[in-house]
Amino acid sequence: GAGVSQSPSNKVTEKGKDVELRCDPISGHTALYWYRQSLGQGLEFLIYFQGNSAPDKSGLPSDRFSAERTGGSVSTLTIQRTQQEDSAVYLCASSGARDIQETQYFGPGTRLLVL
Amino acid sequence: AQRVTQPEKLLSVFKGAPVELKCNYSYSGSPELFWYVQYSRQRLQLLLRHISRESIKGFTADLNKGETSFHLKKPFAQEEDSAMYYCAPPPNFNKFYFGSGTKLNVKP
Repeated sequence: GAGVSQSPSNKVTEKGKDVELRCDPISGHTALYWYRQSLGQGLEFLIYFQGNSAPDKSGLPSDRFSAERTGGSVSTLTIQRTQQEDSAVYLCASSGARDIQETQYFGPGTRLLVL
Repeated sequence: AQRVTQPEKLLSVFKGAPVELKCNYSYSGSPELFWYVQYSRQRLQLLLRHISRESIKGFTADLNKGETSFHLKKPFAQEEDSAMYYCAPPPNFNKFYFGSGTKLNVKP
């Protein structure tokens, strides 16, 4: 079946603009994760959803970042007033079980460049 | 927090040589650990996990509780093994911390 999809695949924006990144998880997956991968850096955890609920939002880098998930499916990560340091690849992953130790299936990522 | 350490950012070996990518964990409790791999221009994917005790693409990883390690090993590296490898612990209070990653370069 279809894997995790993300859109757009690439986004170039100007500093100060808002951007919205979208993630479509694997159908039926209840858990959804957002990560950020900066150039030369590892994976930085941002937020986790179980269903529509995000138990802990403290991983978001600043209050300019927000995320939501509706209908237990699609999720959007919104970055307001983008800064150059927000440039990175944003990865989304989903997993199938309520046991959060399940394997995560990753999307291809959205490459964000803030000029 | 449940963290893992991958001490090597880059590991270069020749084709056919043994390879070991190090991962050390620093938490108590049941260590359900994972290795993920990202090949060039591909998405991040699971390679293997401790609970499965599988050998995937010739790789194995043994949990050593005495040394608190979960090193990834392969007796004979292949060029197609060149990739970025991430060790990951189980989540802690709804947070997920991957290791910093090791880039494996297998030279011909």
